[in-house]
Amino acid sequence: DTGVSQNPRHKITKRGQNVTFRCDPISEHNRLYWYRQTLGQGPEFLTYFQNEAQLEKSRLLSDRFSAERPKGSFSTLEIQRTEQGDSAMYLCASSPYSLNYGYTFGSGTRLTVV
Amino acid sequence: AQSVTQPDIHITVSEGASLELRCNYSYGATPYLFWYVQSPGQGLQLLLKYFSGDTLVQGIKGFEAEFKRSQSSFNLRKPSVHWSDAAEYFCAVGWDNTDKLIFGTGTRLQVFP
Repeated sequence: DTGVSQNPRHKITKRGQNVTFRCDPISEHNRLYWYRQTLGQGPEFLTYFQNEAQLEKSRLLSDRFSAERPKGSFSTLEIQRTEQGDSAMYLCASSPYSLNYGYTFGSGTRLTVV
Repeated sequence: AQSVTQPDIHITVSEGASLELRCNYSYGATPYLFWYVQSPGQGLQLLLKYFSGDTLVQGIKGFEAEFKRSQSSFNLRKPSVHWSDAAEYFCAVGWDNTDKLIFGTGTRLQVFP
């Protein structure tokens, strides 16, 4: 068990470009979550998957954001036409079927939009 | 609406002193309660959790937390802080009617030698 893996660790992009992040969860975890964390704030929920089904999306997730988990394993989060306000740490977490186990987080992808 | 409050943004303690970090939540149903710790530039590590049973729970690194239903609180404690405990601490809460955790805004702990 190698934990939750996120790539890349850091991404610097110009405003208006598209970016994609990848998350590989713990293999036996069927739930996968994306959160966004800005400086001085707690993680904010973006979306989550149970297996390959995307079950909930936050209103924070504008139409420029899309997430997939095509085979119920790894997930990608894409941001189109990035804006400076998208600069944040994007955290991925996974968990077994029940919330009482809590989440296991990855180390995050830090996005800087210049 | 469901919410989580960590009233203390920043706490400074001396090494060896005791520590208590506060967490309160809204919403009446029995919650799932967690404390996470985050070092700079890193993801979050689970310290401890509570969802039923004994209201005093023990976690890693010598931390404990107590669930008080009457106060809607889940405060984190440590009897003697070490310099390596300096980090950001987040309380997180979940409920049966939602499959996600809601996080507080965090408390930054600074430890002086």
